[in-house]
Parts: sequence; C-alpha cells; structure tokens
Amino acid sequence: EAGVAQSPRYKIIEKRQSVAFWCNPISGHATLYWYQQILGQGPKLLIQFQNNGVVDDSQLPKDRFSAERLKGVDSTLKIQPAKLEDSAVYLCASSLTRTENTEAFFGQGTRLTVV
Amino acid sequence: AQRVTQPEKLLSVFKGAPVELKCNYSYSGSPELFWYVQYSRQRLQLLLRHISRESIKGFTADLNKGETSFHLKKPFAQEEDSAMYYCALSGRGSTLGRLYFGRGTQLTVWP
Repeated sequence: EAGVAQSPRYKIIEKRQSVAFWCNPISGHATLYWYQQILGQGPKLLIQFQNNGVVDDSQLPKDRFSAERLKGVDSTLKIQPAKLEDSAVYLCASSLTRTENTEAFFGQGTRLTVV
Repeated sequence: AQRVTQPEKLLSVFKGAPVELKCNYSYSGSPELFWYVQYSRQRLQLLLRHISRESIKGFTADLNKGETSFHLKKPFAQEEDSAMYYCALSGRGSTLGRLYFGRGTQLTVWP
C-alpha cells in the first residue's frame, strides 16, 4: 500500500522568502493533517482538513501560513514570508476518518531550514 | 488544557533488560491515548493505542486514570527497539482527530 507522499524532502530558504510543501495522502483517506515538528519537540498540529474543508486551524499562524486541499485529495502548505523560527520538519498525515481513536499515517516529512 | 509529558528525553538499557517509557497526561474527560514510534530513517508510525488493549512487538501500555499515566513497557528489550517513542493524546469535540504529542523519548538498547 502506498503511503503518504510529501515533497520536497529538504528545503533551505532565506528569511522573508516564501516556500510551499506538497502532500498526497493515502487514497480514500478523508482526513488530512499538517503538523510542525521543531527540533527536540513533538509534532504540533497546524491544520486539519476533512475532505476539502478546514475543521481545525486554531494553531495555524494565519498571518504567514496558508493551506489548501483541492478536491479533497492533495494538499499544499505555504509559508510567506518565512521566519527563522519556522525552521522545522513539516509532517503531513492522513486518516480514514476523523474519530478520537483513528490511526494517523504519516509522511516522511519536509525538513525546512530558514537562514 | 490537554498536555502530554514525557519526562525522559533519553533512555538507555541493555538487551534483555526491562524497559519502561513514561508518559503522563492532563485531560478533562476520558482520554484516548497512543504510542507512536519512529525508527531511524523511517516515518512516524502507530505502535499501539490503549483502546485496543493489545501487545505489539512485546510492548504493552496500561492507562492509569488515577495517576493520569500511560507508560509503555516491555519485559525484555531488543536492539531493534532502539527508536524515538512519542506518547500522544487524541482531542475531542472541536479538536477531534488532533493528536497532542509529548516531546518524545529516545530509546537506545545496547547489545
């Protein structure tokens, strides 16, 4: 079974530049998540989609971060403009449904370095 | 507020020794708890969830509501258990599906 695909794997940008990450979830998974993992910390949810609608973006810094999930499948996460503190691994995950005990399947992540 | 605490950043044991990775949580209500694992150069994956009450790769975890803990245990550690382990709690209501992660414990099993 194909897993969650993310690209690029690594990205280095200068502060104030913009960057975009792409995610393709497991086929048939209705729920898609973007997590941010800063070095030494656990993943923190940025945004959660149910099909193509946002259900939780309370932790998303909306002044610089944006995300969309076109047609309820692929998703992109954008940062514009980037700050040094945005350096982190960005993880995409998907799950079949949105319940309290559903399993989330994670991608390999995109490691972003802002210099 | 939901919070997951993993007090040990690093944990080392020898092969064959028992291992316990600690996890404490704060949550108002009945929590759903998980252990996720990340082996070297692999993606984060589910190890076990408390609702399943099963043993995976010899690991078990018991939810103790009195102590608000969900410690992960294995009686005889193996070298292949070396990995990063994250305890997580699932949200409900408006945060349904969201996972709240601890900072993780890096387990090293020496031969």
